[in-house]
Order: sequence, then structure tokens, then C-alpha cells
Amino acid sequence: LAKTTQPISMDSYEGQEVNITCSHNNIATNDYITWYQQFPSQGPRFIIQGYKTKVTNEVASLFIPADRKSSTLSLPRVSLSDTAVYYCLVGGTIDNFNKFYFGSGTKLNVKP
Amino acid sequence: DADVTQTPRNRITKTGKRIMLECSQTKGHDRMYWYRQDPGLGLRLIYYSFDVKDINKGEISDGYSVSRQAQAKFSLSLESAIPNQTALYFCATSDPGTGRETQYFGPGTRLLVL
Repeated sequence: LAKTTQPISMDSYEGQEVNITCSHNNIATNDYITWYQQFPSQGPRFIIQGYKTKVTNEVASLFIPADRKSSTLSLPRVSLSDTAVYYCLVGGTIDNFNKFYFGSGTKLNVKP
Repeated sequence: DADVTQTPRNRITKTGKRIMLECSQTKGHDRMYWYRQDPGLGLRLIYYSFDVKDINKGEISDGYSVSRQAQAKFSLSLESAIPNQTALYFCATSDPGTGRETQYFGPGTRLLVL
């Protein structure tokens, strides 16, 4: 089971770039890395997904080193509305869904 | 995600009562899931279904049962509710057609068992 390790919480200020790192030492060859965002009393929302190197979309960037044992979610110029819990997951392909595991996530608190 | 709906959104019940939480989706996805979330914790998988004829237990299925009535509907039942089943329950769907597992969550049902 490719479980993940993330910081429990992080603080930031509006306008700053935030980087949240996730460790997944036991990641399997065919595992993808996926990040979700969850606001209080709402369901998690998909942010970004990648396999290796760098992926960027309109919301965030995901950096994955060559050994894939960690990944970093980068949120550019955060605002108060980015205050949420961020989950890093590994796995989630058709063949290994049962390894899809939500940990406790990282609670990001953005201050004015 | 408005394509995944859950009813009721809030429910208060008493110990020993049977209750059902319902989930409907208009995304046309074959896969559906039920999770529970306790305060300050991540999500834990209760049951999942890869199609109408396929039901699987997750990591915490004891005390729960499910029914997949159609591709679009997946219900979670608590046969005899107990206080430690007080939690926030989420339904989710996914489409394996992409080869990757990306889940779409409903708004959640907040359940209080007295």
C-alpha cells in the first residue's frame, strides 16, 4: 500500500507561492500521483495529476523528481480562498484502485 | 460537483434505527464509492462498485451495506445506527476509461447518531 506522508499544516500569506511536499517512498511503477483540495463541509475536488517530471494546469503545478518518491504541489500566488485541506494520493490506475488512499492531508491556512 | 448529488444533506437519527443515504450521478460513470470522514481526519473507504453487478468492501465496511440500483444510483445503509457512525459521508464517482482514477465527489451527508 503506497501510503503518503504530508505535513499536517502550513501557514502562508496572500500573494505568496506555496509548496506542499508529499513523500511516497513505496510508490509502484504504474502509480500516478494525484492531489485533491477540500474545503470545509465539501467533498474533495481534483486539482492535478501526474506521473513524472512536471505538470501544470490553470490551478497548480506538480513537480515529481526522477525517483518519484516524493512530489510537490505548487500553488502560485495564493489567496484567502485557497485555505483548505490538500490531499496527496498515489495509485489510482485501473489495475490498482484498491491502493487509492486518502491520508489526513495538509491543512493550508492563508492569512491576509 | 453538481453532477453528483446526495440526499439527505443532513440527518439526525437515534441509536438502533435503520437509515439510508442516497447518491445519484449524471456523469455516466460506472464506478461509484462511499467514504466517511471524521473530524480532522482523511476519508476512509466504506464500499465501492465498479458496475451494477460489482460491489466490493472497502477498509471500514462493518455496520454498513450498499445497493447499486442502477449505473446512476448507489445507496448506503446503516442497518442499526450507532453513535460512532456519526460522521460526514461522501459519495464519489470515477470513469476508468481514461486509464487513471480521478474521482468526483458529492456535497456530502452529515449524519448524527444520538
